[in-house]
Amino acid sequence: GAGVSQTPSNKVTEKGKYVELRCDPISGHTALYWYRQSLGQGPEFLIYFQGTGAADDSGLPNDRFFAVRPEGSVSTLKIQRTERGDSAVYLCASSLTGRGNEQFFGPGTRLTVL
Amino acid sequence: KQEVTQIPAALSVPEGENLVLNCSFTDSAIYNLQWFRQDPGKGLTSLLLIQSSQREQTSGRLNASLDKSSGRSTLYIAASQPGDSATYLCAVRGKLIFGQGTELSVKP
Repeated sequence: GAGVSQTPSNKVTEKGKYVELRCDPISGHTALYWYRQSLGQGPEFLIYFQGTGAADDSGLPNDRFFAVRPEGSVSTLKIQRTERGDSAVYLCASSLTGRGNEQFFGPGTRLTVL
Repeated sequence: KQEVTQIPAALSVPEGENLVLNCSFTDSAIYNLQWFRQDPGKGLTSLLLIQSSQREQTSGRLNASLDKSSGRSTLYIAASQPGDSATYLCAVRGKLIFGQGTELSVKP
C-alpha cells in the first residue's frame, strides 16, 4: 500500500514569505507527526496530532509555525514570515494509533529560505 | 529532559564484518525505541521497533537490544554489505527524540 507522501519535495522561497507543506499519512493512521531535520542532525519533534487535534505542539519553535489537520487525515504545516534559519528538511510521519506504535516516515520536504 | 546519544558518529568497515552501533538515553521512562536508516537526501526507513517491555528484536541480519535500566540500546548488523551504507538513527518515546546518528560506510 501507499506510504506517507509529502509535497512539495523541494521548496525554495524568499525571506519573509509564507509557505505551506503538505503531508498525506498512511490511510487509516490516526496519529501524525511533524519533525524538522537540519544538516547532520537527527530530526527534531515539532507537533503531534491525534485525529484532528494537536495533542502536543511543544516542539513548534515560535508562533510563526502552525499546523492543521482538519479532517484527521492530510496535514499542512504553515510557516509565516520565513527566515533563513527555517531552512531544513521537514519530515512527516504517521502511526496507526498513538505514541506506542511504529512511526512511518515520508520522504520529507526540503525547504530553502534565501 | 530526555537526551539521546549515538556513538560512534561515523564508522567505516570492510564488507563482511559484523558491527555494533550504540545508542544511549538519559530517561529510562520510554514507550519504545525505534531504529531507522536514512540514505542521503531521503526520508527515514524504520528498521526495528522495541517496546519498553521487550529486550530485543530481530529482522534478517539486524538485531536490536534494549536495556532500559542502563539506558542503552545496540543495533547489531551481521555480515555487513555495501548496501548497508547509510546513517543509522535511534529514537525513543512516543514523539520520538532522536540521536544524531551514526554514519556507516561499508567498503567492498
